[in-house]
Amino acid sequence: EAGVTQFPSHSVIEKGQTVTLRCDPISGHDNLYWYRRVMGKEIKFLLHFVKESKQDESGMPNNRFLAERTGGTYSTLKVQPAELEDSGVYFCASTRSQGANTGELFFGEGSRLTVL
Amino acid sequence: ILNVEQSPQSLHVQEGDSTNFTCSFPSSNFYALHWYRWETAKSPEALFVMTLNGDEKKKGRISATLNTKEGYSYLYIKGSQPEDSATYLCASFKAAGNKLTFGGGTRVLVKP
Repeated sequence: EAGVTQFPSHSVIEKGQTVTLRCDPISGHDNLYWYRRVMGKEIKFLLHFVKESKQDESGMPNNRFLAERTGGTYSTLKVQPAELEDSGVYFCASTRSQGANTGELFFGEGSRLTVL
Repeated sequence: ILNVEQSPQSLHVQEGDSTNFTCSFPSSNFYALHWYRWETAKSPEALFVMTLNGDEKKKGRISATLNTKEGYSYLYIKGSQPEDSATYLCASFKAAGNKLTFGGGTRVLVKP
């Protein structure tokens, strides 16, 4: 069974440009999460999809961030326009169970974003 | 305690020695506590998901305990090996809500 895959693994862009990160969860996992780790700080929640619906997007920093999950399969996270403080590692995680209360999250390797 | 906190932030361990570190979390509305092992440039991998007060789980040389009333969990590594070098993350899940809140991690470096 393939794990959670994320693309790209590393992206370097200039301030003001646009970047789109993609996450392919494990097949059959309805729950998909986006998290972000800024240098030296803890991993922070961004949002949670159940299938194609946004269950909780309380962690999205501002309206420069847009997440979608087409057809309840893969998800994209677009940052437009990117700012310096958006630099960090963006993790995607998925789980079959109803949230993280009953089972572990399966993480991707993360997409490292560097904004210059 | 309002947030998930881990201590120490980092520690160096001599190969063969045992070590332990702490995760503190809000005890109110507690539902579950997760431990993950993360090596840089790799995926964080789940070690344990714990829900019951007094629970103790073990995987090889790594074990964890949970105290939900006082809001802390310990992770133990027995006979540390260089391959145990990683960042260990804990995260709590509250009853109301559907997301994990992570601590800052404890970075462990095992020296041969």
